[in-house]
Amino acid sequence: KAGVTQTPRYLIKTRGQQVTLSCSPISGHRSVSWYQQTPGQGLQFLFEYFSETQRNKGNFPGRFSGRQFSNSRSEMNVSTLELGDSALYLCASTPEGTGGFSYGYTFGSGTRLTVV
Amino acid sequence: GNSVTQMEGPVTLSEEAFLTINCTYTATGYPSLFWYVQYPGEGLQLLLKATKADDKGSNKGFEATYRKETTSFHLEKGSVQVSDSAVYFCALSIRNTGNQFYFGTGTSLTVIP
Repeated sequence: KAGVTQTPRYLIKTRGQQVTLSCSPISGHRSVSWYQQTPGQGLQFLFEYFSETQRNKGNFPGRFSGRQFSNSRSEMNVSTLELGDSALYLCASTPEGTGGFSYGYTFGSGTRLTVV
Repeated sequence: GNSVTQMEGPVTLSEEAFLTINCTYTATGYPSLFWYVQYPGEGLQLLLKATKADDKGSNKGFEATYRKETTSFHLEKGSVQVSDSAVYFCALSIRNTGNQFYFGTGTSLTVIP
C-alpha cells in the first residue's frame, strides 16, 4: 500500500514568486492536512481538507491556500513568497472525518522549500 | 487552549540506557495522545498512540501511558539502540476539531555506541 506522496521533494524559489505543492494521500484516506515545519516555530498547522472542503485553518496569512480534489489529492499554494516561508511542508492523511483523533496521521516525506 | 510541552533536548544516551522523554498537555476537550518520530530528511512516523485515560500505547519497545490526572504522556524505552536516534514529537488531537494536531517542540535523541 503506497504511503503519502508529496511532490516535489525539493524546491528553490525567488522572493515574490508563487509555488504549488502536491500531495497524494493513502488510497481511501479522505482527510488531508498540511503542516509547516521550521526550526524556530516547529510544526504549525496550515489547514485540513475533508471531502473537498476546508474544515479548519491555522493562523497563516491569506497567501497560503489549498484545495482538495474529488480523488482526495490535495495541493497547497503560496503566493508572493517571502524568505520566512522557507520550510519543510508536510502533508498528512487519515481515513475519515475523525480519523486524526482515532488513528493519527500518516505523513509524507515533505517538500523542502527554500526561498532566496 | 490546547498545547503540548515536551522536555527540552537534546538528549544524548549510551546504547542500552533507559530513555524517558517527558510530555505534558493542556486540552479544552478530551484528547487522544500520540508520539511521532522523525528521522533525518524524512517526514513524521506514528510511533504509538492512546485514545483514552489509562491506555498504554506501545511499539518497537517504546511505551507511553495516558495519565489524565497528571495530564502527561511520557515516552519510555528500557534499552535504546543507535537506530533510535531521531527527533521525537508528542502530539494531541481533540475530537471534532477537524483533525488538527497540536505538536510539542520535539526532543532530539542521540544514542552513542
